Amino acid sequence: GQNIDQPTEMTATEGAIVQINCTYQTSGFNGLFWYQQHAGEAPTFLSYNVLDGLEEKGRFSSFLSRSKGYSYLLLKELQMKDSASYLCASKQAGTALIFGKGTTLSVSS
Amino acid sequence: DGGITQSPKYLFRKEGQNVTLSCEQNLNHDAMYWYRQDPGQGLRLIYYSQIVNDFQKGDIAEGYSVSREKKESFPLTVTSAQKNPTAFYLCASSPIARSGTEAFFGQGTRLTVV
Repeated sequence: GQNIDQPTEMTATEGAIVQINCTYQTSGFNGLFWYQQHAGEAPTFLSYNVLDGLEEKGRFSSFLSRSKGYSYLLLKELQMKDSASYLCASKQAGTALIFGKGTTLSVSS
Repeated sequence: DGGITQSPKYLFRKEGQNVTLSCEQNLNHDAMYWYRQDPGQGLRLIYYSQIVNDFQKGDIAEGYSVSREKKESFPLTVTSAQKNPTAFYLCASSPIARSGTEAFFGQGTRLTVV
């Protein structure tokens, strides 16, 4: 089975750094994904981790610790357009992505 | 352009009627998925398919049915047995379900049952 937990809401100010945590319990773990979703739109892919460590992509970075069942998404130099929901999803080999409930991030000026 | 097309974007139906949501992809992806999203919630898996003529139930398959007669198409039927069908439905595809590749999403269909 799979179980994914992430905070429901977070707030931050423009230019700041925010870290969104995600814990998971997945048998046959085959990777951890982060997606961004603006209200009423489809999710868009941000990052993928399958090995321990940090993956950096511009202002966004994602970290994975397989032994702890833990990941985080780090957003730097926050902009107003970063206000969205951030979805953590784990992949079990041979099946589909299973998503957490998402973290709604509000960025204020 | 390659992508996933869901139609229609908005759909209204009367209670007790079956309704079919369309999902077509021209990305040559083997795997396709259907998710449901309720307000303030994450995505919940309804059905997925890794190959033509084969599909598996997800966490909330009751009241839904699918078919996969062609690689490009994975329609979802919301039947009258689904107790609370009003939701945002998202279709996705990925190259192979077993690999660590990301899923690409269509723009979604917002279904309202009155």
